[in-house]
Amino acid sequence: AQSVTQLGSHVSVSEGALVLLRCNYSSSVPPYLFWYVQYPNQGLQLLLKYTSAATLVKGINGFEAEFKKSETSFHLTKPSAHMSDAAEYFCAVSGNSGYSTLTFGKGTMLLVSP
Amino acid sequence: GAGVSQSPSNKVTEKGKDVELRCDPISGHTALYWYRQSLGQGLEFLIYFQGNSAPDKSGLPSDRFSAERTGGSVSTLTIQRTQQEDSAVYLCASSPGGTGGGDTQYFGPGTRLTVL
Repeated sequence: AQSVTQLGSHVSVSEGALVLLRCNYSSSVPPYLFWYVQYPNQGLQLLLKYTSAATLVKGINGFEAEFKKSETSFHLTKPSAHMSDAAEYFCAVSGNSGYSTLTFGKGTMLLVSP
Repeated sequence: GAGVSQSPSNKVTEKGKDVELRCDPISGHTALYWYRQSLGQGLEFLIYFQGNSAPDKSGLPSDRFSAERTGGSVSTLTIQRTQQEDSAVYLCASSPGGTGGGDTQYFGPGTRLTVL
């Protein structure tokens, strides 16, 4: 069974500050890991995904995430927050057992203040 | 190109009525997924279609929920005898399919269902 834990339902940062959203996973097989972003009243948009090619994954909008197997973590970072980054962020995991149903974390709402 | 579309965007119904939610996946995508997003439960997998294979229905919460996919394209999620706890946003996603894990899923905007 797979699971994802996102620490912090809400994270607040000032514009220009570092963004760090935490994600830990549990998987019995080498996982595929994803970060999605959801803006109000919209669907989910893929930010980035890890598929074992490289442990540091760069995504859209200046976000990146590092896969750390020893810590079972896949934290999302951005050096400098922008007001437009305010949204809800979801970490998700899928296995490699033949299909790719996603198991999501509970989500973290990122609040950016001027 | 066109993304995943869903209709209606909003649906308000009375308890006990049946509802149908529609999903049009990205053309050429063989895999289609339904998820439910609610305040209490977060994002939950409901059902998965891959090509002509039998669907994975393991996430359906009760036998009031069913889904079909016609011609390997459009999918309809049906909820019979709706209950207030069915109120949620229903998200559809599609992916190219056939590659096992790691397939990127592209999500539609969702249908917000409110059961009065």
